[in-house]
Amino acid sequence: GNSVTQMEGPVTLSEEAFLTINCTYTATGYPSLFWYVQYPGEGLQLLLKATKADDKGSNKGFEATYRKETTSFHLEKGSVQVSDSAVYFCALSDTGTASKLTFGTGTRLQVTL
Amino acid sequence: KAGVTQTPRYLIKTRGQQVTLSCSPISGHRSVSWYQQTPGQGLQFLFEYFSETQRNKGNFPGRFSGRQFSNSRSEMNVSTLELGDSALYLCASSLIASNTEAFFGQGTRLTVV
Repeated sequence: GNSVTQMEGPVTLSEEAFLTINCTYTATGYPSLFWYVQYPGEGLQLLLKATKADDKGSNKGFEATYRKETTSFHLEKGSVQVSDSAVYFCALSDTGTASKLTFGTGTRLQVTL
Repeated sequence: KAGVTQTPRYLIKTRGQQVTLSCSPISGHRSVSWYQQTPGQGLQFLFEYFSETQRNKGNFPGRFSGRQFSNSRSEMNVSTLELGDSALYLCASSLIASNTEAFFGQGTRLTVV
């Protein structure tokens, strides 16, 4: 079956530090890949997505590249802000839609001044 | 426009009871998916409805059921509640079944005592 593995958290960074959250996946075929963010007390918000190999998703300074050869979709940001503190989820869909997602366990990011 | 609305936001039920949760998708969205989020199991897909038909189902017991109405609003029902059903239940809607962006509600926090 499908699965998503994320690096364990929490990740604690100082403001303006570089962020990488690792994500690898197992799936048949060519899944679509997503990063979602969850702020305290909120639902999930789509951060970025990539639907085919070598696609780069980007939004709000975050980027992730769909690497089929390494089955990875690592999230990066060059300079984090305190407001980026949240839980980040990597997810995949093998149906070509966002309606049946397999999520990773989530990585909590804490950014301090 | 209004986002995905889930009601109620919080619920406390006793073991053995049943519960019904409601989800109103974004206006015009026809696909609704449900997820269960727990600290131990993370985010797990429950089921997806499109045009009043269940299209996909996750690996949950038959105590978990759902339906979708002609106005795309969806309900999920859990019968014979167990302590382990305590979770945040999230609903997500998409414009059409093949869309690659899902919008999540804030969730219903169910506590079973």
